[in-house]
Parts: sequence; C-alpha cells; structure tokens
Amino acid sequence: DTGVSQDPRHKITKRGQNVTFRCDPISEHNRLYWYRQTLGQGPEFLTYFQNEAQLEKSRLLSDRFSAERPKGSFSTLEIQRTEQGDSAMYLCASSPRGDRGTGEQFFGPGTRLTVL
Amino acid sequence: AQSVSQHNHHVILSEAASLELGCNYSYGGTVNLFWYVQYPGQHLQLLLKYFSGDPLVKGIKGFEAEFIKSKFSFNLRKPSVQWSDTAEYFCAVNAPNTGNQFYFGTGTSLTVIP
Repeated sequence: DTGVSQDPRHKITKRGQNVTFRCDPISEHNRLYWYRQTLGQGPEFLTYFQNEAQLEKSRLLSDRFSAERPKGSFSTLEIQRTEQGDSAMYLCASSPRGDRGTGEQFFGPGTRLTVL
Repeated sequence: AQSVSQHNHHVILSEAASLELGCNYSYGGTVNLFWYVQYPGQHLQLLLKYFSGDPLVKGIKGFEAEFIKSKFSFNLRKPSVQWSDTAEYFCAVNAPNTGNQFYFGTGTSLTVIP
C-alpha cells in the first residue's frame, strides 16, 4: 500500500497522560499536514511541514501539542498532559512538490484518540 | 482567517435524483477550491478541484462544481445520484497567497435511498 499510513489507528488514554501519533506520508511527497476532526465538524488545520521544516502552526495547537518531521519523511504528533477535550480524530495528509498550497492532499485513515 | 460554510448538513435523496450541495467561503482574494468525499469506513479523497481557468470543473464519478466568484460559492452537483454516492462531502478552501492552511466546511452527509 503506497498511501498515507497512520499509527496507531485507535488510542485510549487517561487524562494527564502523554500520547504520540505517527504519520508516514506517500514517499515522494514533501508536504505534510496534521488536522484534527471532531464529530460533526470538518478537519481543522493544526500544522504544516515542508520537508523537515514546520512552516505553519494553527492557534489551535496549544503548547501541549508538538509535531516533528525530523528527516523530512515520517512525522510525529505528541500531545502532553491530555485533556478530555483532546478526544478527536487526528488526520495526516501529504501532498507532492508543486506550487505552494495548490497540491491535492492525500489523507491517511486517521488516529482516533479517546481521553478518559 | 477564511471560513467555509456548507448549508446542507444532511441530505436524503432517492436514486436518480439530482444533487446540489452548497459551499460558500469568506476570503476575497485568490483561492483554490476543493471538494473531498469520505465514503463509510474510508479515507477522505479528492472529488474535484479548482485552481484557475474554466469555472466549471468536472471530477470523478460524474460530479462537477461551479466556481462563482461574485457569490464566493463553489457548489457541487451531480445530475443523477446512485446509492454508492452515500458519503460525507466536505468543501475546502486554500488561499495560496496567504499560506498553506486549508479550511474545511463542516461537511454534508448524503444518504441515497435505493
């Protein structure tokens, strides 16, 4: 399968714990995006990487959230001291090199986080 | 920040009926426009996109959308829906001159009755 993959697919954690999600984009794609989606809403932009550089971060991304893409390939999203409000589907998408902002995004299956 | 409005939250149609889903966005500058679809149990996937040129764009599975700049709209249409079109549909906007953020609408859930 050459699509975007995410791991784990489901995560249940207790409030206050830290969690880390991984995204493996399509191999030739240099752009990587993280989104959060809650029930009844569309995906909300969290952050964007071009290669290893994190170029944009949403105001939604509080200081408890951090994302990395150390070698410009896979990316991780960590949430520290999780809160019940963090419960959501976390989506990763990648897009190929091209004019800024115009590429089609290919989405992964998402990681569903439940904070108890 | 831009915003995207999808007016229809839930739509129920019989097979062969025509479909039009509304999408309006708030940004006045250059935009790229997208419709994504999420079939039950599957990933979000692109239906169609508009960057420039002909404002009527055709996508996969017989879908089309028309960009009307004066109305800030990008409505999705299909002349005759099928049961397999049952899915969640999301409109998205990107303003390339202001950044790489994509803004999604809240989605429209379409149910097609055989």
